[in-house]
Amino acid sequence: ILNVEQSPQSLHVQEGDSTNFTCSFPSSNFYALHWYRWETAKSPEALFVMTLNGDEKKKGRISATLNTKEGYSYLYIKGSQPEDSATYLCAFIKYNTDKLIFGTGTRLQVFP
Amino acid sequence: DAGVIQSPRHEVTEMGQEVTLRCKPISGHNSLFWYRQTMMRGLELLIYFNNNVPIDDSGMPEDRFSAKMPNASFSTLKIQPSEPRDSAVYFCASSLQGSLGNTIYFGEGSWLTVV
Repeated sequence: ILNVEQSPQSLHVQEGDSTNFTCSFPSSNFYALHWYRWETAKSPEALFVMTLNGDEKKKGRISATLNTKEGYSYLYIKGSQPEDSATYLCAFIKYNTDKLIFGTGTRLQVFP
Repeated sequence: DAGVIQSPRHEVTEMGQEVTLRCKPISGHNSLFWYRQTMMRGLELLIYFNNNVPIDDSGMPEDRFSAKMPNASFSTLKIQPSEPRDSAVYFCASSLQGSLGNTIYFGEGSWLTVV
């Protein structure tokens, strides 16, 4: 069984705060890691696809890092805004499969 | 461009009834995935197709669930007979050449309630 774990489960921050969450995954047979942003009643939206150890990706105020040797990825949000409120999901792909194994997500709520 | 289109968006049905969920992937994408989202288990992969062929259906919970992809632009997920524990959001997603390193695009989900 492949375990992808995300922490914390939920997070409440004030507008303007910076925040980060963690995704832990098996370090063996790694192929790729995906990050998604999901607002209730909408489609999960792809943020990043990461494949290389040491990768850092950025999209506006959101960035992510990847450590495949130790099996974790961090997602950072700088200067959180209320519109950042969503569930952030990571998904691990094992080498030689097409399966995305999702974590249970970190639910972020940003208060004005 | 149209994204992944799912129907129905919401369905409430009685236990024992047949449920059919439909999906139209993004044109040109040759991989299609069906996921189920529940509070307890998060997003689980049920089955995926490459070039209309089922590749891995090990996530399908039991024989009551079946999925087909008769052509590149249409797939169905059927539950017969439905049970209350099948209540969940069912997502369809598509991508180009599987998920390895490629972005997967999700539909808005079909919210199923079985009473």
